[in-house]
Amino acid sequence: EVQLVESGGGVVRPGGSLRLSCAASGFIFDDYGLSWVRQAPGKGLEWVSGINWNGATIGYADSVKGRFTISRDNARNSLYLQMNSLRAEDTAVYYCARGSTYYDYWSFYSYWGQGTLVTVSS
Amino acid sequence: AIQLTQSPSTLSASVGDRVTITCRASQGISSALAWYQQEPGKTPRLLIYDVSTLESGVPSRFSGSGSGTDFTLSITSLQPEDFATYYCQQFNTNRLTFGGGTKVEIK
Repeated sequence: EVQLVESGGGVVRPGGSLRLSCAASGFIFDDYGLSWVRQAPGKGLEWVSGINWNGATIGYADSVKGRFTISRDNARNSLYLQMNSLRAEDTAVYYCARGSTYYDYWSFYSYWGQGTLVTVSS
Repeated sequence: AIQLTQSPSTLSASVGDRVTITCRASQGISSALAWYQQEPGKTPRLLIYDVSTLESGVPSRFSGSGSGTDFTLSITSLQPEDFATYYCQQFNTNRLTFGGGTKVEIK
């Protein structure tokens, strides 16, 4: 059974940093691309960042480019999102999602974690 | 980045109705379009990918169509569990985008 479990969310002040993690199991981790998708309270889904199977191809939404860094550790079956210079508008539930086509992250997503809440507030 | 515009943003319907949701892309996306359903407090559920391919386990009352820039999600004979928010998503480029969502409410 495919499982994606996010952790690392919490309350942080504007300008602060946070590192999210996503622990994966139930599939061959380095066969798939992965993404982070967020959802602000009462709002829609927003793709944040994606990474291909070996980390060679990475993409970011304009809203986070230069502030967030995605990475993966295939030996640990884990995905990460380092978030710096956080703003109030980054407040959201952050989901880890597995791409449904081999290797790339520009795909549709059959598997999602339960999400971790990040709150940016003073 | 490619923008996806969904309409309507809210739709009121009754059990048994047929409903149609539209997703328009700001440029051509070939057949790289998916649809998701999200119930309140739950994670998104993939319904359809590649415009019209039904994900395993999704009821056949859901269908998708379209090409180029204009796409639709249709639900025939709306069921109580279908009242939720629906999102389209494009994966034609390496900067993914979602539509703004369509909330299907009980009339």
